[in-house]
Amino acid sequence: KAGVTQTPRYLIKTRGQQVTLSCSPISGHRSVSWYQQTPGQGLQFLFEYFSETQRNKGNFPGRFSGRQFSNSRSEMNVSTLELGDSALYLCASSLGGENQPQHFGDGTRLSIL
Amino acid sequence: QQQVKQSPQSLIVQKGGIPIINCAYENTAFDYFPWYQQFPGKGPALLIAIRPDVSEKKEGRFTISFNKSAKQFSLHIMDSQPGDSATYFCAASVAAGNKLTFGGGTRVLVKP
Repeated sequence: KAGVTQTPRYLIKTRGQQVTLSCSPISGHRSVSWYQQTPGQGLQFLFEYFSETQRNKGNFPGRFSGRQFSNSRSEMNVSTLELGDSALYLCASSLGGENQPQHFGDGTRLSIL
Repeated sequence: QQQVKQSPQSLIVQKGGIPIINCAYENTAFDYFPWYQQFPGKGPALLIAIRPDVSEKKEGRFTISFNKSAKQFSLHIMDSQPGDSATYFCAASVAAGNKLTFGGGTRVLVKP
């Protein structure tokens, strides 16, 4: 069974640009969550999508948004990029029920110049 | 009240030793506590998870101990091997959702 796939693996952008990251969950998983990982703040929850609806949201500004498609694939968008957005962005998928194990992809490394 | 505190930040053990990582939480609504292992360049991989109605759980060489009254839980790696050298994260979530709150991580180095 294929794992969680994130594309691209690496991205370099400049301040003010926007970026879209993609996540394909494990087959059969309906929940997709996004996390930001930085050396200073650690792993922080961005949002979760289930059945194309945002079900949970973390404490990030509105520049961070996401969506989920009918095949459970998800995209995350960050607009008006700032230097502080440089991070590893991780996607995790699960079946979607209560406390189902979340399985992570290897992330997209975003660097802002 | 959502914070999960993890200690130590790093530790070094000899092969065969037992690294112990501790986590403490404040939110009593948390009822699911997974541990993740992360290697450089990779995403976190789920190791083992526990719920508050269980005081201990073992999977292979990994053991979680849970103390509900103290709001603390810990990971023990038995007979540690150099291949266990990685960063370990504890986490917690509330049953109603998949929002994981992570500890700060512990970098473990197992020397041969």
